[in-house]
Parts: sequence; structure tokens; C-alpha cells
Amino acid sequence: GAGVSQSPSNKVTEKGKDVELRCDPISGHTALYWYRQSLGQGLEFLIYFQGNSAPDKSGLPSDRFSAERTGGSVSTLTIQRTQQEDSAVYLCASSTGIWANGYTFGSGTRLTVV
Amino acid sequence: GNSVTQMEGPVTLSEEAFLTINCTYTATGYPSLFWYVQYPGEGLQLLLKATKADDKGSNKGFEATYRKETTSFHLEKGSVQVSDSAVYFCALSDLQGGSEKLVFGKGTKLTVNP
Repeated sequence: GAGVSQSPSNKVTEKGKDVELRCDPISGHTALYWYRQSLGQGLEFLIYFQGNSAPDKSGLPSDRFSAERTGGSVSTLTIQRTQQEDSAVYLCASSTGIWANGYTFGSGTRLTVV
Repeated sequence: GNSVTQMEGPVTLSEEAFLTINCTYTATGYPSLFWYVQYPGEGLQLLLKATKADDKGSNKGFEATYRKETTSFHLEKGSVQVSDSAVYFCALSDLQGGSEKLVFGKGTKLTVNP
């Protein structure tokens, strides 16, 4: 597609429920990234995919968080047993893998845990 | 580890004022440096970049020069407009440990008043 697409754009969930966030990167972009943006915290790196592999998962905050990527394209970030501190905007970005070019970001999913 | 430090905001200026947003970094090796901008209600967009020492990135009247001796990448604009009101993020490329990701500062909110 023309840009990075994320869905849903907004998600309100009850504490303890599982949620899935989807990212559809730019066609042909081999690298895909998930970040979390919390108020006053800037952008927190979560995970990096190169193709379907995740060489760097170091930013995932706990084992409640997981992500996968299939077909070198769509990625899903899953948060199990959501907590209120998970409330944030989850951003996906993709790139050609030539890091000097920077990323293209999606518009994000705003997750609110009540 | 690699990190980015930005001046804390918020920054409030009048239209046509001069803007500087300070950014310094700590990194091993020779990272690429970036400024991203997030306009209200929108996703992050790449504003400008520099890939080696003494490079100057520029776009939309904004400039930043990669200063290796001072490990800085300050963002400047000679005459800001109301439409420049946004959050600005400084970032560097981190290629350590088999990962390829951008490390972001916490962002600086700029408000330009007419």
C-alpha cells in the first residue's frame, strides 16, 4: 500500500482482556518496528522484525506482550491480560532495511485499558 | 547504550521568531541522525536527516548539522509559522547487537502563536 496502515485506530478494552493490534507495512519494506508512545515518555522501542524474524525483542515490557509477522508483511502485536499501564499509542513503522533512510510510521492504535 | 537527550519543552514562540531545539546524543560508532515531527492528530513524519559528521539536513526551512565534536544535532528554523506547531523528536540509528532501530528522544512540543 501507499503507507503504513494500522488497525484499529482506537481500542478500549477492559482490564484483563487480550488485545490484538495489526500493522500492514509498505509493500516491499523488509523491516518492521513496533513502538509505544506514552504521555511524557517519548517513543519506547518494543520489537524489530527483519522479514519474519525478530532479531531484537528487547523492548517488550513483559511476557504478556508478543508479536509475530507473517509472509514478510502483516504484523500483529498481542497484549494478554491487559493492565491499565498498557494504555498508550502503539506505533508501527516500516523501512527498506537501509536504516539511513529512516522509517515510515503508521498513525498508530490508541489503546485504553479501563 | 545509545541515547538521545532533547531539551525539554514546551516551547512557545511568536510567529517569525527564531527556533532552536537542542539535541545531543551518546552513541558508539557513527550513527545517522534524524528529526521527526508529529503534527496534532497525525503520525510521525521524517523531517530531515544527516548520515555523517558535518552533514546538514534541511527541509521546510528547518536545518540541523551533525556535529561529531559536540555530539549534537540541534534543530533550527529562522522564522517559525503557526503551522510549525507540533512535537519534534530527535533520533539516532542504533545498529548494536544485530538490531537496526531508531532510538528517540522524549520529544519537544512547540507552539507558535500568531
